[in-house]
Amino acid sequence: AQSVTQLDSQVPVFEEAPVELRCNYSSSVSVYLFWYVQYPNQGLQLLLKYLSGSTLVKGINGFEAEFNKSQTSFHLRKPSVHISDTAEYFCAVSDEGYSTLTFGKGTMLLVSP
Amino acid sequence: NAGVMQNPRHLVRRRGQEARLRCSPMKGHSHVYWYRQLPEEGLKFMVYLQKENIIDESGMPKERFSAEFPKEGPSILRIQQVVRGDSAAYFCASSPVSGGRETQYFGPGTRLLVL
Repeated sequence: AQSVTQLDSQVPVFEEAPVELRCNYSSSVSVYLFWYVQYPNQGLQLLLKYLSGSTLVKGINGFEAEFNKSQTSFHLRKPSVHISDTAEYFCAVSDEGYSTLTFGKGTMLLVSP
Repeated sequence: NAGVMQNPRHLVRRRGQEARLRCSPMKGHSHVYWYRQLPEEGLKFMVYLQKENIIDESGMPKERFSAEFPKEGPSILRIQQVVRGDSAAYFCASSPVSGGRETQYFGPGTRLLVL
């Protein structure tokens, strides 16, 4: 069985500061990892995904994430956040034998001026 | 290039009524997934369908809930005799092929409120 843990339910940060949103997963097989963003009252939009290869993955809007197999982590980072990055961020996992996504509970990123 | 469409966006039902949620996948996508988002929770998988087939319904409650994806028309998630605990946002996603490495594209969701 797969599971995803997002340790921080909320992360407040000032505009132009760096941010890291943490994600840890557990799975007995090789996994694929995803970060999605949800703006208020909207659906989820893919930020980036890790399938294989380079452990550093770059996504849209200046976000990147690093896959760390030994620590079973896939933390999301941005060097300088903007007010418009205020949203909820979800980490999710799947694997080759299981098409559906298992999500974490989400982290609300609150960017203030 | 229309994305995943869901309607209605908001649905209010009284306890005991039926709720029908519709999802039209992206053009060319034949795989549909339904997820439920409860307040303060992440999304939970409910059911995975291909055209005319239910592939995996392991996340769907055994009673009152059903889903279909007919040969023609949208996918439908049906909730009979709704209760207050069914109040949630229901999201549909689609992908062109199956497999865990495929990106799922999400619709805007249907927010169900049961009075």
